Amino acid sequence: GQNIDQPTEMTATEGAIVQINCTYQTSGFNGLFWYQQHAGEAPTFLSYNVLDGLEEKGRFSSFLSRSKGYSYLLLKELQMKDSASYLCAALSNFGNEKLTFGTGTRLTIIP
Amino acid sequence: DTGVSQDPRHKITKRGQNVTFRCDPISEHNRLYWYRQTLGQGPEFLTYFQNEAQLEKSRLLSDRFSAERPKGSFSTLEIQRTEQGDSAMYLCASVPVAGNIQYFGAGTRLSVL
Repeated sequence: GQNIDQPTEMTATEGAIVQINCTYQTSGFNGLFWYQQHAGEAPTFLSYNVLDGLEEKGRFSSFLSRSKGYSYLLLKELQMKDSASYLCAALSNFGNEKLTFGTGTRLTIIP
Repeated sequence: DTGVSQDPRHKITKRGQNVTFRCDPISEHNRLYWYRQTLGQGPEFLTYFQNEAQLEKSRLLSDRFSAERPKGSFSTLEIQRTEQGDSAMYLCASVPVAGNIQYFGAGTRLSVL
């Protein structure tokens, strides 16, 4: 089966750092994606981790531990425009390759 | 703009009517996915095409839903005899031949009255 868990809502302060956690149970796991989605807009790709460890890309970093079924997205130097939903999604190659998404974490940045 | 186009952006219809949505993926992307997203939830997989072949349909997809990708380029998703429970955002995503990243369109928001 497929199960993705992430917090529903988080609040953080402009200029600070926030970590959004995600745990997953996925058959045929083949990688973990993070997408950003502003209200009413398309999800946009942020990161893809297939091996254990930290991937850094500017202000955003993503971490994966396959043995623990755990990932996090780290956002630094928060800006007001970072207020959005952050979707964790596990890629499965069990059968045809497809993504299973969590419910998303709605992040609100306050001044 | 990811390069994936969806049309229309918004559709309001009365219960019982048929609706059709279109998705134009990024050219040369051979894989195409349809998802449904309701408020406060992540996208849920509906169906998957590789070129023109529909390889998988979710059990969520009732027989009122049908999708095509006739020439392996654009795709359509049709809902017959719409119900209020069909109200959602319908998202399309395409994937290149060599790669795993799904690029999403802006979606079609369906409201069934």
